[in-house]
Amino acid sequence: KAGVTQTPRYLIKTRGQQVTLSCSPISGHRSVSWYQQTPGQGLQFLFEYFSETQRNKGNFPGRFSGRQFSNSRSEMNVSTLELGDSALYLCASSSGGRGPPTDTQYFGPGTRLTVL
Amino acid sequence: AQSVAQPEDQVNVAEGNPLTVKCTYSVSGNPYLFWYVQYPNRGLQFLLKYITGDNLVKGSYGFEAEFNKSQTSFHLKKPSALVSDSALYFCAVRDTKDSSYKLIFGSGTRLLVRP
Repeated sequence: KAGVTQTPRYLIKTRGQQVTLSCSPISGHRSVSWYQQTPGQGLQFLFEYFSETQRNKGNFPGRFSGRQFSNSRSEMNVSTLELGDSALYLCASSSGGRGPPTDTQYFGPGTRLTVL
Repeated sequence: AQSVAQPEDQVNVAEGNPLTVKCTYSVSGNPYLFWYVQYPNRGLQFLLKYITGDNLVKGSYGFEAEFNKSQTSFHLKKPSALVSDSALYFCAVRDTKDSSYKLIFGSGTRLLVRP
């Protein structure tokens, strides 16, 4: 079974621009979560989507948004980029479901975003 | 509030010696606990998890972890370290009171295994 894929792997943008990152979960997985990894703040939860609905959201400004499509693929968008948005953005998928969240999240390789 | 602490930024061990990477947690409900490993320029790779049951959990690549409820700890262990185990290790917790799959991560511990 193919793993979680993320595109693009690397991205360079300038301040003020916007960016869209894409994530394709493991086949059959319906929950997709996004995390930001920086040297200073570590790994921080951005949001989680399940069945095209945002189920949970972290403490990030409204410039960070996401969505999930009917095939469970997900995108996240960052508008009006700031230097501090430079980070590794990781997507994770799990089978999801409405019971206790016991399933493992499997991570993609990440998208390295550099904001100049 | 949920939190995870990894008190050591770095752990150094010699190849062949046992290793321990420490993790303590705080949640309002019961914890689901996870260990992940990250190699340079890569995503996170799942090692093992504790959901319920036996406090000793065995995972990938010979790693194991022991859940201790009274000490709110979930330390990662391996009986004999390999140079290839050198990487960044993350402990993470999910609160059973939270219906989502959100993970709270520790700050990470860099493991260096010297030949």
